[in-house]
Amino acid sequence: NAGVTQTPKFQVLKTGQSMTLQCAQDMNHEYMSWYRQDPGMGLRLIHYSVGAGITDQGEVPNGYNVSRSTTEDFPLRLLSAAPSQTSVYFCASSTLAGGYNEQFFGPGTRLTVL
Amino acid sequence: RKEVEQDPGPFNVPEGATVAFNCTYSNSASQSFFWYRQDCRKEPKLLMSVYSSGNEDGRFTAQLNRASQYISLLIRDSKLSDSATYLCVVNPFNTDKLIFGTGTRLQVFP
Repeated sequence: NAGVTQTPKFQVLKTGQSMTLQCAQDMNHEYMSWYRQDPGMGLRLIHYSVGAGITDQGEVPNGYNVSRSTTEDFPLRLLSAAPSQTSVYFCASSTLAGGYNEQFFGPGTRLTVL
Repeated sequence: RKEVEQDPGPFNVPEGATVAFNCTYSNSASQSFFWYRQDCRKEPKLLMSVYSSGNEDGRFTAQLNRASQYISLLIRDSKLSDSATYLCVVNPFNTDKLIFGTGTRLQVFP
């Protein structure tokens, strides 16, 4: 199993550009989520999904869109990048069976917006 | 008040020392609690879940105090490889979300 994979690992954008961060998991997990991690702020939840076709907002959803057309994939779209979106982005997945379970994280995407 | 609060540290301890971290949470109805470990520039990984009765895994012991709304992590006989940031994580009641603390940095020196 590859676990949770994220692409790209690094990205530099100019203000106003759009892009999609990819996330995929091969563990058949129902739950997937996106976090951003900034110094002194910890991980903050952007969006999450409890299954294909279902998404919901987290703590900091503004400026980001998600979709969940399959169980495996959960892409994060930046609509118009801003310097405030410079961060490290982590995707995570878990099973929901039996309650809350271990979150498996991808290796992260380091995004810089100029 | 933040939903989950941790002392950022760093805690600098010698090898072999015992060190303890606390984490407080604001939602009294929170139902699941975890400690994650994050190495520098890496993704977080589950260290252990925290059960009401407390639990132990080798040199690591986690405790939950619902009355005072805090969880703790005790590391005995610290190793150099324990150097990392330890994240306190809480699942509030009736939500599908996990709330992460900002982490406590531990540095173990020879």
